[in-house]
Amino acid sequence: SQQGEEDPQALSIQEGENATMNCSYKTSINNLQWYRQNSGRGLVHLILIRSNEREKHSGRLRVTLDTSKKSSSLLITASRAADTASYFCATNLYYSNYQLIWGAGTKLIIKP
Amino acid sequence: ETGVTQTPRHLVMGMTNKKSLKCEQHLGHNAMYWYKQSAKKPLELMFVYSLEERVENNSVPSRFSPECPNSSHLFLHLHTLQPEDSALYLCASSPEQGSPLHFGNGTRLTVT
Repeated sequence: SQQGEEDPQALSIQEGENATMNCSYKTSINNLQWYRQNSGRGLVHLILIRSNEREKHSGRLRVTLDTSKKSSSLLITASRAADTASYFCATNLYYSNYQLIWGAGTKLIIKP
Repeated sequence: ETGVTQTPRHLVMGMTNKKSLKCEQHLGHNAMYWYKQSAKKPLELMFVYSLEERVENNSVPSRFSPECPNSSHLFLHLHTLQPEDSALYLCASSPEQGSPLHFGNGTRLTVT
């Protein structure tokens, strides 16, 4: 398996419910970043969490990081139809300034 | 408007053609990136430029040739491509190493 694997690969929920996506990685990191990609568009940065942080919030987004388990989760609360997108995690490795290791993404569908 | 503009949005080319992808950023960032996104695969970093100097080159075939004439512009010159090179090519920029990326909306390339 690869660094930065998201789980699940696809998730379909009702509008208003919470959505949780997970990311696992293998090697030591400087930081972990979450991005969103709407169909046919570029990626948009959501949140960056550093290796010495455990939790960060941004609006309806909550990201946790467990370095002992080498995993992170992204929680979207009170989901909206506009949250329908693919979500990617990317890890910035401690030994590479520019290299980000990406997962294959979680496709999230919010049903109205 | 993402601050990173890519042209063209779509490109269809034959295997013997020569074409170029263009990327422009108006964010004052120091680093620019080319990524390849293929279906159901993680993003692949192709090239990174920092202050117009190439700092990463991830074993990309020579049929892809980058050019960074200044810190605001990045090109990807294409020649004698293969059908497996068909993908979404994304340009991104960042203020500095390890910081979040700002993506353009990509060029959807089809090689026939």
